[in-house]
Amino acid sequence: ETGVTQSPTHLIKTRGQQVTLRCSSQSGHNTVSWYQQALGQGPQFIFQYYREEENGRGNFPPRFSGLQFPNYSSELNVNALELDDSALYLCASGSGGVYGYTFGSGTRLTVV
Amino acid sequence: RKEVEQDPGPFNVPEGATVAFNCTYSNSASQSFFWYRQDCRKEPKLLMSVYSSGNEDGRFTAQLNRASQYISLLIRDSKLSDSATYLCVVNGNTGFQKLVFGTGTRLLVSP
Repeated sequence: ETGVTQSPTHLIKTRGQQVTLRCSSQSGHNTVSWYQQALGQGPQFIFQYYREEENGRGNFPPRFSGLQFPNYSSELNVNALELDDSALYLCASGSGGVYGYTFGSGTRLTVV
Repeated sequence: RKEVEQDPGPFNVPEGATVAFNCTYSNSASQSFFWYRQDCRKEPKLLMSVYSSGNEDGRFTAQLNRASQYISLLIRDSKLSDSATYLCVVNGNTGFQKLVFGTGTRLLVSP
């Protein structure tokens, strides 16, 4: 069973609303990354947090923001939701390098 | 051009067949390479890391060709349970740990 947990598992929001997704990273992992996976596509990197600071960002607008807490858990916030934000949002934690990352089971967001 | 390119398939093979997937990547500075497996509506799970020397894990063999910027995965003696989407993944070496995923290759193993 994965050591990375995400909540909620499913969510339906209306266009224009705001949403917060949560992730508890695997014990001992101080790096957490967020990915967006649209239907039929591979996951796309949103951003990464290391020791509570964002240290890398993909091609996502500022309305995608995040936080990492002292216990290394993390939040992804999306403001002004658009229909195209409907996707599976994945949180990943790990030590990187050749060991890769462990993904949580994701939050499936539907924007209507 | 996409950073990581894969044939989306689907590859339809009978049980017991050998199947090979390939992908190419564009960033020659990439340092780490992986194959992940993703079942329908589930999260990606690390299948194996990929090295230039090649590596094997049971029925799975992965190979990296840095000169050609090409990664391969070979599955021998396919099982029904191998049916999934296989994602080729590259660490973007951007100073932080950014995984760049291909769109995935879908494998369907039939009885």
